[in-house]
Order: sequence, then structure tokens, then C-alpha cells
Amino acid sequence: GDSVTQMEGPVTLSEEAFLTINCTYTATGYPSLFWYVQYPGEGLQLLLKATKADDKGSNKGFEATYRKETTSFHLEKGSVQVSDSAVYFCALMGYNTDKLIFGTGTRLQVFP
Amino acid sequence: NAGVTQTPKFQVLKTGQSMTLQCAQDMNHEYMSWYRQDPGMGLRLIHYSVGAGITDQGEVPNGYNVSRSTTEDFPLRLLSAAPSQTSVYFCASTRSGSRGSTANYGYTFGSGTRLTVV
Repeated sequence: GDSVTQMEGPVTLSEEAFLTINCTYTATGYPSLFWYVQYPGEGLQLLLKATKADDKGSNKGFEATYRKETTSFHLEKGSVQVSDSAVYFCALMGYNTDKLIFGTGTRLQVFP
Repeated sequence: NAGVTQTPKFQVLKTGQSMTLQCAQDMNHEYMSWYRQDPGMGLRLIHYSVGAGITDQGEVPNGYNVSRSTTEDFPLRLLSAAPSQTSVYFCASTRSGSRGSTANYGYTFGSGTRLTVV
């Protein structure tokens, strides 16, 4: 079945460092891909999405490109801030389904 | 606009007790779902509903019941709580897309219910 694999955390960075969180997926057909962020004590919020191959989702300085040839959707940010400290979830939704399948999440810790 | 509201925020149950986790949304979303979040396992789908009167099982449905009598509400029932059900529970909703898929819309999540079964 469909699945999402994320790099294990925690990822620990200094402020203004470059961030990459790897995400790969297994799915039939053409899924849509998402990144969600969970701040401490809160629910998940949609960060960005891409619905077809080569699409780039972006929001708040974060970017991810839907790479069908490598089945990947890596999250990047050029300069992280302390306020970016959170848990990041990669997720996919198969074509013509309403179900969202999540990876295990990656905790990001940014220190000043 | 309240979004998705979950109650209670925290709950402690004894093994064998029953309870209902409430979820309500005011966005007229057709699709609603319940997830549980456990360390190292991400979010796993328990049950979902594509509209009033329609529910279906997700990845980990055992021990949980749901019903959807209105568009707004989607309660999750634990009939006989077990320690393995200690978790954080999230309710989420979204509108359906034009192809019957929600791919073009993000889910809106509630703030969660932290349940401990002792």
C-alpha cells in the first residue's frame, strides 16, 4: 500500500542554517504530496503542498519539489529561525481518495 | 470562524471505562477523520467519514466506534478503554474536491485530545 518515509530526527540546527528534511514515498498512480507542521501543544497545520510532478510548493520560506523520478518531496529552507522549531510531517494522498497518509514526523530544533 | 473544535483537551480513564471524544467543525466540510498520534509512529487513521450518514474504517479501527449524524459533528467512542489506547487524538476535516478527491485542499486539524488510560 501507499506509504511515506521521513528521515528520523531530531534535526538540530543553529539559527540561519540551511534545512533539509528528506521525504520519500511509495504510491500507485499520481498522489498529491503535503508537508504539515506541528508546533508544541498544537494540532497540525498545512505548510505546503504539490499536486503533480515537478510542482513546487512554498510557504513561509519553506519549499518542496514533487520529484516523481525519485519519488521524493524533500523540505528545504534557506535560513531557519528559532520559531521554526516544531515537528514536520510529510504526507500523501492517493489519486481520487480522501485519505491522508503520514510519515512518522521529524522534530526540528533550532538554537540561537 | 472556530474551525475544528475538539473536547476535552485532556482525559484520564481507568481501564474498561467508556467515553466519547467530541469533534465539531463549522466550515461545512464533507470529509472528517480521526487520527491517533503515537511517538515514532506518526499519525494513524482510525475512522473517517465522507459525509453525514457515511463512515468507514481506517488503519487502526479496533476499539473505536464513530457515527456521523450531522455534517458538523463526528464523535469518537471508546467502548472499553485499554492502556494501548493512551495517545493523542486528532480530528481533521476538509472539503471534497471536484473529482471527489480532497487533493487540492488541506486538512484542518483540531488541537487534539490527550488521553491516558490507566
